[in-house]
Amino acid sequence: GAVVSQHPSRVICKSGTSVKIECRSLDFQATTMFWYRQFPKQSLMLMATSNEGSKATYEQGVEKDKFLINHASLTLSTLTVTSAHPEDSSFYICSARQASTNGYTFGSGTRLTVV
Amino acid sequence: DAKTTQPPSMDCAEGRAANLPCNHSTISGNEYVYWYRQIHSQGPQYIIHGLKNNETNEMASLIITEDRKSSTLILPHATLRDTAVYYCIVKDNNNDMRFGAGTRLTVKP
Repeated sequence: GAVVSQHPSRVICKSGTSVKIECRSLDFQATTMFWYRQFPKQSLMLMATSNEGSKATYEQGVEKDKFLINHASLTLSTLTVTSAHPEDSSFYICSARQASTNGYTFGSGTRLTVV
Repeated sequence: DAKTTQPPSMDCAEGRAANLPCNHSTISGNEYVYWYRQIHSQGPQYIIHGLKNNETNEMASLIITEDRKSSTLILPHATLRDTAVYYCIVKDNNNDMRFGAGTRLTVKP
């Protein structure tokens, strides 16, 4: 079946630094990828949608200059959390939509801790 | 503006069937019903989806009422590893996958 690899699985960074999270579709081409954020004991909240080769579409309230999304190829999307602060600590999850089936496959998530 | 309503939590005895309900009274004709589950600190896992007809796969069965305003996910023989948060999502092919609060299912020995 379709597999999405997300890396790293957990990262600790200092306040003010930037962190990049990668999301790869391993055995299919993903024309659209999605990024979610999940705080403890809450549901997943959609942050942005990215289509290969074009700018990401951000949800209301999500700062596009803080959460940089790049989707340069059909198998890779990256999320960069810039100038991270402790309140950015969260579980970040990516998802990829397989064009041929319209199926959604999720990565295993990245736990970001900003200290 | 939630499209689905699920009970916040449910318990089930190991080996018994787990029946998870979902109300989606405002579902439109071209929207599918999807079920995902999330085991602690992992990404969501696809379970099943359907449009009108009942569906069954190796993981679960999905029963959709005739008026499509509600559905039930059935795990026929729940195991301890089925403990997770279960999300019911309605969407068409053009909308994004958005999650509600889900149901926290606890399977007890």
